This record gives sequence, structure tokens and C-alpha cells, in this order.
Amino acid sequence: GAGVSQSPSNKVTEKGKDVELRCDPISGHTALYWYRQRLGQGLEFLIYFQGNSAPDKSGLPSDRFSAERTGESVSTLTIQRTQQEDSAVYLCASSAGLIRGKNIQYFGAGTRLSVL
Amino acid sequence: DQQVKQNSPSLSVQEGRISILNCDYTNSMFDYFLWYKKYPAEGPTFLISISSIKDKNEDGRFTVFLNKSAKHLSLHIVPSQPGDSAVYFCAAHTGTYKYIFGTGTRLKVLA
Repeated sequence: GAGVSQSPSNKVTEKGKDVELRCDPISGHTALYWYRQRLGQGLEFLIYFQGNSAPDKSGLPSDRFSAERTGESVSTLTIQRTQQEDSAVYLCASSAGLIRGKNIQYFGAGTRLSVL
Repeated sequence: DQQVKQNSPSLSVQEGRISILNCDYTNSMFDYFLWYKKYPAEGPTFLISISSIKDKNEDGRFTVFLNKSAKHLSLHIVPSQPGDSAVYFCAAHTGTYKYIFGTGTRLKVLA
């Protein structure tokens, strides 16, 4: 597609349930990123993929969070046993990597997760 | 440790006037700075960037200034238009993949 696509756009779940968020990056982009934005706060880095491997998972807040990427394309972010503090907008971005020292990331519209 | 700070959560400007959005950083290893604009219910979109070897970059109504000695950058929008009303994030990276974002400034341009 033309841009980064995320689904679902909104997700309401009950505390304790697992959720899976999906990201389709721009075709050909080797790098993929997940961020979280809590209400009134900035973008918090979660994880970075280069191809199908994740060299940096340092932003994942707990072992309830995991992500994978297959076929150098689609990525899924899974949150197990959701808690109310997981409520946020989860943003995915992709990029073609460093070009002349610059790395421009292109973002999807995000998934708004509400944990009741 | 907030390496990139936007100390003004909001800013209101009259249409046609200049909007100045500010960003401070602490890490002298940052070598690229970017500004993103975000409308409600949309993802951030890239606006303009500047390399650490420059002090100014201009693109139409948007100019970014970098003061390395002060570890400060600013985004100037001239003239401001109502469609510029959005949240603006500054971001920095160090020649790798990882952005550090500021917390954003909500700009409101009044008609």
C-alpha cells in the first residue's frame, strides 16, 4: 500500500485479556518500529525490527509485551494479560533506513487500545 | 531521563503571524533532528529535518534553526495558517535507527 497501515484502529478489551495489534509497513521498507503514546505524553519507543530480527527490544515495558515480524513485512505486537496502564495509542512506523545520514520514519494512524 | 524536551505544551498564534516552537536536548551525540506534525486520529507526519552540521534549513513556510552550543532547536512557521493547528514533535537520532521524541507542543492558529 501507499502508507503504513495499522489494524484495528480501535480496540477495547477487558483487563487480563490478550490483544494483538497489526502493522503493514510501506512496501520495501526494511526497518519497522513500534511506539506507544499515552494520553498527554510523547512517543515512547518500544521495539525496532531490521528485516525480521529485532536488534533492540529495550523499550518493551514488561514480558507481557512481545512482537514479531515475518517476511520482512507485517509485524504484530502482542500484549498478554492486559492491564489498565496499557491503555494508549500504539503507533507503528517504517523506514528505508539511513539515507545520507538521515532516517525518516513514516507512521501509521495507530491503534487506540482501551483496557477496561 | 528526558533527552529531548519541549517545554511548552501549547501555543496559540494569530493567523498570518509567526509560530515558533522550541525544543531542547541534552545528548551532544545527536546528529540529526526532525520535526513531525500530528493531527488528531492520525499518525505523525514528517515535516522538516536538519543535520547537526548545519544551523538552518528552510522548506517553504517552515524553517528549522539549530543552536548546537545551546543544544536548542526551533521550528518557525511563517505565515501561520489555521491548517497548521496540530501537535508538533521534535525528534533526534544519533546515526542509528532510534528516535528520541519530545513530548510535543500543541499549536493552535487562530483565524
